[in-house]
Amino acid sequence: QLQLQESGPGLVKPSETLSLTCTVSGGSIRSTIYYWGWIRQPPGKGLEWIGKIYFDGTTYTNPSLKSRVTISVDTSKNQFSLTLTSVTAADTALYYCARQHNWNYGRADFDYWGQGTLVTVSS
Amino acid sequence: QSALTQPASVSGSPGQSITISCTGTSSDINSYNYVSWYQQHPDKAPKLMIYEVSNRPSGVSSRFSGSKSGYTAFLTISGLQAEDEADYYCSSNTRTSHVVFGGGTKLTVL
Repeated sequence: QLQLQESGPGLVKPSETLSLTCTVSGGSIRSTIYYWGWIRQPPGKGLEWIGKIYFDGTTYTNPSLKSRVTISVDTSKNQFSLTLTSVTAADTALYYCARQHNWNYGRADFDYWGQGTLVTVSS
Repeated sequence: QSALTQPASVSGSPGQSITISCTGTSSDINSYNYVSWYQQHPDKAPKLMIYEVSNRPSGVSSRFSGSKSGYTAFLTISGLQAEDEADYYCSSNTRTSHVVFGGGTKLTVL
């Protein structure tokens, strides 16, 4: 059974950089059929897509966050990571990592999700 | 890219059917059949309920169904049960290979 687990600091100071890692177990991140994505949810609000990465390092990022977001992959560790620079209180959210089907293979949904990790931006 | 438009809330009584709409643009829903729906209970991660407009993953009840017409996708839940009370989100792939979510709909089972 595939599992995803987010890890990283739960508290980040304003203007600093948020860094999270998602560890994938029970399956290989090298699969051509999937992308690996980040989604966040501010407290009491809806889901916001942050971006996704392919095993070869190809990335797509939400235009509204593009200048601050970097997504990377480490296939040797079966992990992918998110960095978000210059954070503000508006970046306080539950951050999820998830597996997304590659639409070139007929699907584009997120079928496996991590449990989410709360990141609070506060001094 | 703009969020897909969903009603903030819907409600229904046990046994009834409800439908949640999700309206997009020519850059997403109208262009592709990559619409999916997610159920989220409080303090839980979202769960995939429908993919490719109308397909159900293994293990999802047949009471959940999806459809699409033009710029709008729909999630229908028939035979409403108390356990269906949750937030529901639609999402779509876009022309630029990005993803856009709807704002979410809170379903209340009366």
